[in-house]
Amino acid sequence: GQQVMQIPQYQHVQEGEDFTTYCNSSTTLSNIQWYKQRPGGHPVFLIQLVKSGEVKKQKRLTFQFGEAKKNSSLHITATQTTDVGTYFCAGRIQGAQKLVFGQGTRLTINP
Amino acid sequence: GAGVSQSPSNKVTEKGKDVELRCDPISGHTALYWYRQSLGQGLEFLIYFQGNSAPDKSGLPSDRFSAERTGESVSTLTIQRTQQEDSAVYLCASSLWGQATGYTFGSGTRLTVV
Repeated sequence: GQQVMQIPQYQHVQEGEDFTTYCNSSTTLSNIQWYKQRPGGHPVFLIQLVKSGEVKKQKRLTFQFGEAKKNSSLHITATQTTDVGTYFCAGRIQGAQKLVFGQGTRLTINP
Repeated sequence: GAGVSQSPSNKVTEKGKDVELRCDPISGHTALYWYRQSLGQGLEFLIYFQGNSAPDKSGLPSDRFSAERTGESVSTLTIQRTQQEDSAVYLCASSLWGQATGYTFGSGTRLTVV
């Protein structure tokens, strides 16, 4: 079945450093979404990417969708303590409604 | 309502007992999903409902798990004869229908089987 792999599983950075998490799908995706889950909280929708090679930015966050629509990345520039949490990618295959989530990357930050 | 509401927020049950978890989706959201998240893990798909269509039950781990939804409103997830490995946070989400929409998650039900 469809699998979505996400690396790294954990990342610890100093405040102000950059952070990147990568997502790879075993199958071509129609779109990919990213979610953030704060410690003790529930996942919150951040963004959706649909087009091959698409790049979207939200302030210090940059999201990319690969040309083959099988991989994606989230890059955070100059991390802040408010960025702490687990970042999940979630992919949809063509014609499907449900999302398949990656295992998430847990980001911790040393202030 | 303003968000997805789940109840109870916490449930401790004895092994072998049945439990029922409830989800109230956002009004107007025709799609409803159940996921399970074990401690420190990702989200495991369980089931989803879309309007009056047959639900996609492909993620239910065993026949002890079942779910119902009445129209486009409340859903209940039932786990019969609970086992310790059922302990997890059960998350419900809803969305508008279509591939261009994100999920809105509830705060989850933390189930502990002792």
